[in-house]
Amino acid sequence: NAGVMQNPRHLVRRRGQEARLRCSPMKGHSHVYWYRQLPEEGLKFMVYLQKENIIDESGMPKERFSAEFPKEGPSILRIQQVVRGDSAAYFCASSPQGRAEAFFGQGTRLTVV
Amino acid sequence: EDKVVQSPLSLVVHEGDTVTLNCSYEVTNFRSLLWYKQEKKAPTFLFMLTSSGIEKKSGRLSSILDKKELFSILNITATQTGDSAVYLCAVEKGDKLIFGTGTRLQVFP
Repeated sequence: NAGVMQNPRHLVRRRGQEARLRCSPMKGHSHVYWYRQLPEEGLKFMVYLQKENIIDESGMPKERFSAEFPKEGPSILRIQQVVRGDSAAYFCASSPQGRAEAFFGQGTRLTVV
Repeated sequence: EDKVVQSPLSLVVHEGDTVTLNCSYEVTNFRSLLWYKQEKKAPTFLFMLTSSGIEKKSGRLSSILDKKELFSILNITATQTGDSAVYLCAVEKGDKLIFGTGTRLQVFP
């Protein structure tokens, strides 16, 4: 039973490009969470999704950021027109029933140059 | 504003020492408090605490919650170099976790 899979592990983008981060939840999990960890800071909640639905996006920046979790395929966190301040580790977590005891992926480290 | 504060920020000990990590919180609509261990990769789940005064134990690690004073502690006895990591405390609020900034523990042989 594979854990939460995130790819890529490392992503380098130039300012203004788009970044797409993928997350495949654990088998049987239909709840996905995205968190961002800035250097020397704790993880900050971004968005909570179930299949085809965004349940809570209160932590998402209002512009340039979007997330989806389609019926088939992984969850995608998309950042348009990246800026240096978007450089961070982005973690995905999944759970079977929407409770906090979620399992985290290895994260995607985004570097904007 | 909800907040979770961990102390100390970092800790350096020798193998065999016992350490206590602290987590205090001010979060409305508290559901539970969780501890994670992060070693340069995915945070791995350690404990989930919902009730005051009931100690949870796993090997050399133990944790307890005080919902009246709004804090939790994580104890690690007989530390080993493999315990070196960042320990994260998080409070469950609704459908999200609110994390502290973590305590960085370094255990030297």
